[in-house]
Amino acid sequence: DAKTTQPNSMESNEEEPVHLPCNHSTISGTDYIHWYRQLPSQGPEYVIHGLTSNVNNRMASLAIAEDRKSSTLILHRATLRDAAVYYCILRDVRTSYDKVIFGPGTSLSVIP
Amino acid sequence: AAGVIQSPRHLIKEKRETATLKCYPIPRHDTVYWYQQGPGQDPQFLISFYEKMQSDKGSIPDRFSAQQFSDYHSELNMSSLELGDSALYFCASSPMAGELFFGEGSRLTVL
Repeated sequence: DAKTTQPNSMESNEEEPVHLPCNHSTISGTDYIHWYRQLPSQGPEYVIHGLTSNVNNRMASLAIAEDRKSSTLILHRATLRDAAVYYCILRDVRTSYDKVIFGPGTSLSVIP
Repeated sequence: AAGVIQSPRHLIKEKRETATLKCYPIPRHDTVYWYQQGPGQDPQFLISFYEKMQSDKGSIPDRFSAQQFSDYHSELNMSSLELGDSALYFCASSPMAGELFFGEGSRLTVL
C-alpha cells in the first residue's frame, strides 16, 4: 500500500487559514487522495478527496501537487470545532472496497 | 438522512466472556468496515465486507469473527474477552468507490 506522511501536530489560531500537508511520494496513478478527520470521542468523518485537480467543498479545499507526490488540506477559517486528528489516506480506485488504513495523522489544535 | 447505526453504544463484560456488536449500514451501501480504536490510538482496521462477502482482513484476533447478513447488517463477535479488548469499535459503510460513513461507535469495557 502506498504510504502517507503527515506532521504529528499543528496549531492554528481561530479564524485563520490552516494548511495541513501530506506527502505521498509512492502514489500510483490509480490512487485517490482522501482526507478524513476525527473529532474527540467521535467516529472519523469524511472531509474531501481528489485525484489530480484541486477540489473544493463546503468543509475544505484540497490542493494537489502537479506530480501528485504531495497534497495540502486547506481549512479557510479555523474554528474551535475544527480541532481534530486529520488523516490523509490513499485509496486505489481499482480496489475501493478494500481496507482503509488510518494514521498516523495530524492532531490540529485551534487556539481561541 | 439515515446514518450508520451501531448497537449497543456501551457494553461492559468480564474477562473470558463473549460480546456481539451490531452494525446497520446506510441503505444501499454495499461495503461495511469494522475498526477498533484503543485509548490515544488511531482506528485499526479489523475486517471489511463487500456484498456480504469478506473483502479484506486486518489485524483481527482469531478470537474475533464477523459476518454480513442478507439484509446487509453486520455483526462482530468477540470471544474469550481480554482486558486489552477494551476499546471503541467503529463500523463504517460506503457505497462502491465512495467515502466511508462511520457510526458513533460501541464502547466495550472488559473488567
